[in-house]
Amino acid sequence: KAGVTQTPRYLIKTRGQQVTLSCSPISGHRSVSWYQQTPGQGLQFLFEYFSETQRNKGNFPGRFSGRQFSNSRSEMNVSTLELGDSALYLCASSIQGERGYGYTFGSGTRLTVV
Amino acid sequence: SQQGEEDPQALSIQEGENATMNCSYKTSINNLQWYRQNSGRGLVHLILIRSNEREKHSGRLRVTLDTSKKSSSLLITASRAADTASYFCATTSGGSYIPTFGRGTSLIVHP
Repeated sequence: KAGVTQTPRYLIKTRGQQVTLSCSPISGHRSVSWYQQTPGQGLQFLFEYFSETQRNKGNFPGRFSGRQFSNSRSEMNVSTLELGDSALYLCASSIQGERGYGYTFGSGTRLTVV
Repeated sequence: SQQGEEDPQALSIQEGENATMNCSYKTSINNLQWYRQNSGRGLVHLILIRSNEREKHSGRLRVTLDTSKKSSSLLITASRAADTASYFCATTSGGSYIPTFGRGTSLIVHP
């Protein structure tokens, strides 16, 4: 079956702009989580959506937001981009997000802010 | 903040050798997972071990968990060049099922 699909793969944006990233989870997976990966901070949890509701949130400013649609596809949005937002953004899906299951990750979106 | 910390940060070995990576964590866990990440790509789930388990195997992978020492190890036997990647441990603890990742071990396997 198809894996987790993230689009686009690469993005270059200018400071101050906003960006929207998309994630299509594995069919049947209802939990979608987003992570930011940078060399300095490693993998940092952004938020998790389940059945169109944000169920968990990490310690990121309000410029980072997301949503989930009825088909479980998820988007995350970053407004007023800063240079420090340059990172690999990873989406992960799981059946229910509960602790008995591992996550399946997409290949990520590489965002560069200039 | 990181819950798990991998050791060593980097490991370089020859094809055919075994590779051992360690993960230490700070608080009691529900489970511990190991992931692999090839350069600039997404993470691939390798093994999940629950807090009441001590050892799990999957192909050439062997994971051990010592909850008394709050540590886990990942052993890759008979390594191959294709095993070159970064390896991360991730833990869930308390009422949270959101895995918290360590900073990873970079493994290079020379052909």
